[in-house]
Amino acid sequence: GEDVEQSLFLSVREGDSSVINCTYTDSSSTYLYWYKQEPGAGLQLLTYIFSNMDMKQDQRLTVLLNKKDKHLSLRIADTQTGDSAIYFCAEGGTDKLIFGTGTRLQVFP
Amino acid sequence: EAGVAQSPRYKIIEKRQSVAFWCNPISGHATLYWYQQILGQGPKLLIQFQNNGVVDDSQLPKDRFSAERLKGVDSTLKIQPAKLEDSAVYLCASSFGLAGYEQFFGPGTRLTVL
Repeated sequence: GEDVEQSLFLSVREGDSSVINCTYTDSSSTYLYWYKQEPGAGLQLLTYIFSNMDMKQDQRLTVLLNKKDKHLSLRIADTQTGDSAIYFCAEGGTDKLIFGTGTRLQVFP
Repeated sequence: EAGVAQSPRYKIIEKRQSVAFWCNPISGHATLYWYQQILGQGPKLLIQFQNNGVVDDSQLPKDRFSAERLKGVDSTLKIQPAKLEDSAVYLCASSFGLAGYEQFFGPGTRLTVL
């Protein structure tokens, strides 16, 4: 079945790195995504990784994919207060996205 | 470029009443999605349109929910009659096409059913 799991909450100090983890079950997923949701707003695509890749770096964001363990992580370097939001991982094959439960990231000074 | 527009932003109704949500996708986007996001959960796909045809409505509770995209542009999602468990944020998203195109999300409509 399709199920994407995330830890619910992460708290980090400003300037530290944040690591948000996700596990998924559908090994046929072609893409894996990270979305950010700020209060009262829709979801914003942060980055994605193709399933045949192990790592992708995009400025402060690093995505790691372990296909064997069906584990996805998002590392945010030099976390800022503006990074405080809910982060969703999602898996997708052709077009349907299955979202995780979301991880609320709180950044404190 | 204008984003995905949704209205209303907030709606409060009593159970057994009807409600409708409207979505205007990004110009030129053929694919439109409606998601339901219950508090504390990730969005769940309700229905997906390609132009004015339905691609996937397997998770739409068809006894009370309906959606249409008559001219392949704007879409409406209706709930009739509403239940308490329908309280959620209803998100509309659009993409240029199927198969891996980025989905752009609107701000959502927050529905409270009393």
